[in-house]
Amino acid sequence: QSVLTQPPSASGTPGQGVTISCSGSSSNIGSNTVNWYQQLPGAAPKLLIYSNNQRPSGVPDRFSGSKSGTSASLAIRGLQSEDEADFYCAAWDDSLNGHYVFGTGTKVTVL
Amino acid sequence: QLQLQESGPGLVKPSETLFLTCTVSGYSISSGYYWGWIRQPPGKGLEWIGNIYQSGSTSYNPSLRSRVTISVDTSKNQFSLKLNTVTAADTAVYYCARASHNFDSGTSLSHYMDVWGKGTTVTVSS
Repeated sequence: QSVLTQPPSASGTPGQGVTISCSGSSSNIGSNTVNWYQQLPGAAPKLLIYSNNQRPSGVPDRFSGSKSGTSASLAIRGLQSEDEADFYCAAWDDSLNGHYVFGTGTKVTVL
Repeated sequence: QLQLQESGPGLVKPSETLFLTCTVSGYSISSGYYWGWIRQPPGKGLEWIGNIYQSGSTSYNPSLRSRVTISVDTSKNQFSLKLNTVTAADTAVYYCARASHNFDSGTSLSHYMDVWGKGTTVTVSS
């Protein structure tokens, strides 16, 4: 049971921008940093954004993350066909002795 | 180059114990970081199972805590997952990953998995 809520789907045409929201609570996003993972079809997840807005080496700057209060967002600028994937937000949750929680996931479709 | 590889039986009978191992190459587990397990049932989202530090300190998903044990063998540079009394609901792709776990600023915890294995499929069926 995911405690971080994301829209199930988002879409855009090549070149457009897409934003995915992630809603949590005071014990997770409200207290700790947010990460985003991209999962291409048939592949393992890949870290896309960490610590709210940091990109690992090799991740294009078309991807950006932000956080405000108990919510976070992932923005994809200049959508490309290879961006079609599932995206998950995640954060550490301080409740119940501490544990990591993932979002429900958003399927991004490039039209 | 750091790589993680999951291994273990692909088929487990209901009520039995699932046991998986993650072999780490290109980095010594003893050098730091946390090491974790994540699973993904068919057609569903990601679920965090738990993690372990080199010292043996563990954290688990509250919903699985009663059935899960994660252990580390630094001599073999491996860590393992044991899940007791499995049911069909435990059928999933199981991933192992390296996790960074630090305080970002003040009391804000930054925890994320930066390197993942390719995953191994486990089916629970008689």
